[in-house]
Amino acid sequence: AQTVTQSQPEMSVQEAETVTLSCTYDTSESDYYLFWYKQPPSRQMILVIRQEAYKQQNATENRFSVNFQKAAKSFSLKISDSQLGDAAMYFCASYNNNDMRFGAGTRLTVKP
Amino acid sequence: GAVVSQHPSRVICKSGTSVKIECRSLDFQATTMFWYRQFPKQSLMLMATSNEGSKATYEQGVEKDKFLINHASLTLSTLTVTSAHPEDSSFYICSADHSGGGSGELFFGEGSRLTVL
Repeated sequence: AQTVTQSQPEMSVQEAETVTLSCTYDTSESDYYLFWYKQPPSRQMILVIRQEAYKQQNATENRFSVNFQKAAKSFSLKISDSQLGDAAMYFCASYNNNDMRFGAGTRLTVKP
Repeated sequence: GAVVSQHPSRVICKSGTSVKIECRSLDFQATTMFWYRQFPKQSLMLMATSNEGSKATYEQGVEKDKFLINHASLTLSTLTVTSAHPEDSSFYICSADHSGGGSGELFFGEGSRLTVL
């Protein structure tokens, strides 16, 4: 079974600053994928970034990057140059063998 | 990019009635679709995995007779909440696997908010 833990229920960042959201996971599988999803007030789930576990290089998507520490089973998300539109719930997720599990989520507030 | 559509986006029904929610993959075929339930300010909880042409796989604690799932085609899965009660009120989200399985390229529907009076 997979478990995903997000220990920060809420985070706040000043506009244009950088913030890091934490995530740890546990899986017995060797082949898996990790994700960060954004859920704005519309409730639509939006993929932010995806990481294949077999890749050592950290994934990057514009202002979003991850710090993937496989041995520590840690998968944090860094948002650089935060924008007001980044305010949302962020969910970390682990996927393998047709099974995706989500963390409890972190609510990010961006202060102007 | 790939699009998954859910319908209806909002539904209000009386207690004891049944409600059907549709999840369609609009521009790709999905052999596997997933149904999640999300309570306010909580995470997505997997209810069941819907497999085209076969029975759905339900998570522990989810009543299969209560939440009927049908995946009759490669582009459509339906969730029917039978004899709905107020405690079934929730936000239901579906997702479809764009990759054909394995790599987790899931695309999510817009969600359906069910309110049972």
